[in-house]
Formats: sequence, structure tokens, C-alpha cells
Amino acid sequence: LAKTTQPISMDSYEGQEVNITCSHNNIATNDYITWYQQFPSQGPRFIIQGYKTKVTNEVASLFIPADRKSSTLSLPRVSLSDTAVYYCLVGDRNRGSASKIIFGSGTRLSIRP
Amino acid sequence: GAVVSQHPSRVICKSGTSVKIECRSLDFQATTMFWYRQFPKQSLMLMATSNEGSKATYEQGVEKDKFLINHASLTLSTLTVTSAHPEDSSFYICSARAGDGGGDEQYFGPGTRLTVT
Repeated sequence: LAKTTQPISMDSYEGQEVNITCSHNNIATNDYITWYQQFPSQGPRFIIQGYKTKVTNEVASLFIPADRKSSTLSLPRVSLSDTAVYYCLVGDRNRGSASKIIFGSGTRLSIRP
Repeated sequence: GAVVSQHPSRVICKSGTSVKIECRSLDFQATTMFWYRQFPKQSLMLMATSNEGSKATYEQGVEKDKFLINHASLTLSTLTVTSAHPEDSSFYICSARAGDGGGDEQYFGPGTRLTVT
């Protein structure tokens, strides 16, 4: 399982774009990159998943460079409700039931008015 | 999206007693369920992986005789904390995956706050 490294914490303001970068230097060929969001005393919530280049959905974008050794989660125009911990995970989606999810330390994002 | 529930959401028990936590997939069949533990200000720690009808696979350092996991059906897995001690107080989270393919999304439950007095 590839190890991931993220900033421990980040601060931003409402209406700003926030970019959280995750390093995964040992990512394997079959590994996908997935980001989860967790609010206090709640289970993690899936945000976005990608393999390469760019993926966009209704809540975020995920940018993955060609070497795939890092990825950046982009949250457009954040609000106070985006204050949460964000986890970057890397795993082999093709290993069936063996592809368990291991969480890293995550990034604690704080949004201010 | 798929929904995973946990019951109870909070439980307080006395030291030495056992507590059972249920994890249910409400609108899909989960071939695989995972149990995590999370201490305050820390990340989720995977405890074990359970597949329906077979024994759970525990992570290193997790006592299988203390944390009993039963995945009796495709929609229900239970975690029993036996002879609970104050250090077992934590936030327990389960997740469930619909298919057998690793690409199938994993859905997390809302968590259960266990306090052992």
C-alpha cells in the first residue's frame, strides 16, 4: 500500500479556492487516488477518485500529474461548512476484497468567515 | 448513494462488560465490511476486514478475542468489544463495499461513540 503525505492543517477564508496536495511517491501502476472528507464524530464521506489527469464532480476537482506521484484536491469557493479533515488514500482497486483502505493522517482544513 | 447505518450511535458501559455494535448496509448487499477505530484528533485505524460467511481478518496488534466480529449476512456485521476497559473508549466506524471488486466504492457508517467507565 502506497504511503501518502499531506499537510497536517490548512486555513482559508470563505469564497476562496483551496488546494490540498498529497504526495504518494510509491504509487503503483494499479493504484487509484481517492479523497474522503470527515466531519467531527461522523464517518468519512467519499469526495472524488481518479487515476490520472483531471477529474471533476459537483463538489471538487482532482488534479493528477503525469508521474502520478502527487495529487491535488481542489475545492472551489469554500464555505464554513467545508471545515473538516480531508484524507488522501491510494489503493489498488482491482484487488477485490483484499483492497482495504488505510487512512493516513489527513489534512485539517479550517475555513474562516 | 448507498447507506450504511450503525447502532447504537452512542453507548456507555461499565468496565468489564461487553458491548455489541451493529453495522448494516441498508440498500445494498455488502460482501466485505471493515471496522475502524478512531481516537480524538487522530486518523482512522483499520481493525479488521470481514467477509460474509467467513472469519474476519484482523490487523496486526488487534486482539481477535477481544474484538469479536461476525459478518453473518450480506447486510449485517457486528463488532463485540468483550470485557471492555476505559482504554477501549473510542469512536468505532464501519464501512461496507458492495462488490468484490476493489474499485467498488466503500461506504462508511456514521460511527459509534463508546465510553467505558
